[in-house]
Amino acid sequence: DTAVSQTPKYLVTQMGNDKSIKCEQNLGHDTMYWYKQDSKKFLKIMFSYNNKELIINETVPNRFSPKSPDKAHLNLHINSLELGDSAVYFCASRLIWGNPANTGELFFGEGSRLTVL
Amino acid sequence: DQQVKQNSPSLSVQEGRISILNCDYTNSMFDYFLWYKKYPAEGPTFLISISSIKDKNEDGRFTVFLNKSAKHLSLHIVPSQPGDSAVYFCAASSGDYKLSFGAGTTVTVRA
Repeated sequence: DTAVSQTPKYLVTQMGNDKSIKCEQNLGHDTMYWYKQDSKKFLKIMFSYNNKELIINETVPNRFSPKSPDKAHLNLHINSLELGDSAVYFCASRLIWGNPANTGELFFGEGSRLTVL
Repeated sequence: DQQVKQNSPSLSVQEGRISILNCDYTNSMFDYFLWYKKYPAEGPTFLISISSIKDKNEDGRFTVFLNKSAKHLSLHIVPSQPGDSAVYFCAASSGDYKLSFGAGTTVTVRA
């Protein structure tokens, strides 16, 4: 029943490792996002995909590579993890801005807490 | 460069009283504003929104006020209830694909 689901919810790993976080939405939305909430609690946008196409990339290091196999999924792969990557990563989705059914809100997943040791 | 600012990191209010949360923004292109509520270990959930063509929107106990000339919006919760204890995020959009968020205000409602 979960509208936007992320896995895993918790991830603890060593520096230098590669890890992935998966996201799926069953709302029929065509736009998906990754947000990062850092230690200062700011929610910062990282990426946005619309119908599998990258439309926003907010100066995120190349170590972060989003992948959207279809419009219901947006996965985040992180290479060579660093201590500063420790954060909570939120996936979100909504209808494209021009869609009359769009009420403007994002629907968020529960977050994936990544801890890099 | 934070375009959406919530300058009060926390707010404590007695049950039954009014909670007023404030938010300032710097980007004059923002034309849609939202408030999100977040409980621990959960994702933010949408609460209420307002378009820039309005100055007030009300939904039950929640009212959002927008002052475009001051680039300021506020969220009023009345009466406050214990279940309102959460982090509240202000967000703004300029009709593009992304929402810019403030840092959040933690509201604690005391019984």
